[in-house]
Amino acid sequence: AQKITQTQPGMFVQEKEAVTLDCTYDTSDPSYGLFWYKQPSSGEMIFLIYQGSYDQQNATEGRYSLNFQKARKSANLVISASQLGDSAMYFCAMRGGFTGNQFYFGTGTSLTVIP
Amino acid sequence: NAGVTQTPKFRILKIGQSMTLQCAQDMNHNYMYWYRQDPGMGLKLIYYSVGAGITDKGEVPNGYNVSRSTTEDFPLRLELAAPSQTSVYFCASSSRGQGASMSTEAFFGQGTRLTVV
Repeated sequence: AQKITQTQPGMFVQEKEAVTLDCTYDTSDPSYGLFWYKQPSSGEMIFLIYQGSYDQQNATEGRYSLNFQKARKSANLVISASQLGDSAMYFCAMRGGFTGNQFYFGTGTSLTVIP
Repeated sequence: NAGVTQTPKFRILKIGQSMTLQCAQDMNHNYMYWYRQDPGMGLKLIYYSVGAGITDKGEVPNGYNVSRSTTEDFPLRLELAAPSQTSVYFCASSSRGQGASMSTEAFFGQGTRLTVV
């Protein structure tokens, strides 16, 4: 069975500081992808970053990076130089399974950036 | 670029009524999904489809039905609406996972906020 766990319901960060949002996953599949999405208060789901299970290097996209520790089954999102517009819900997701048919989501972390 | 289009954006239903949430994508994606999002609960998969004519149940299918007659459309049918179906519904689509690490992300519609009273 696939499972995504996000243990931080809410996080606060000072503007311009870095913040790490935690994500652990459980799967027995050798092949899977890990994704982070942002959901601002307007409600849409915005794709941020992807990490493949076979990737040797951590993924980066602008101010977003993914701290991937395969042995620990963790895929933490790091946001550098936080901005007020980063205040949102953040969801970790995994695509896996034999056919990669499904995306499994965590319960999300609410991030608030303090000016 | 339209991407994934959901209609309606908002709807209020009375208990026992039925309705269809529409979802269409113009990216020629094989995979389509319906999720519901309840506060503090993340996204739960209702149904998904891997191609026209093929659908399968997700984690919470009870009270819902789907069909996939074309690649583009994936409507979600609510029969006999209940208060427990009050939620935000998201339709998403994706192409087949690329390579060994399933690299293709899901694209989401704007969501439908449904209230059953």
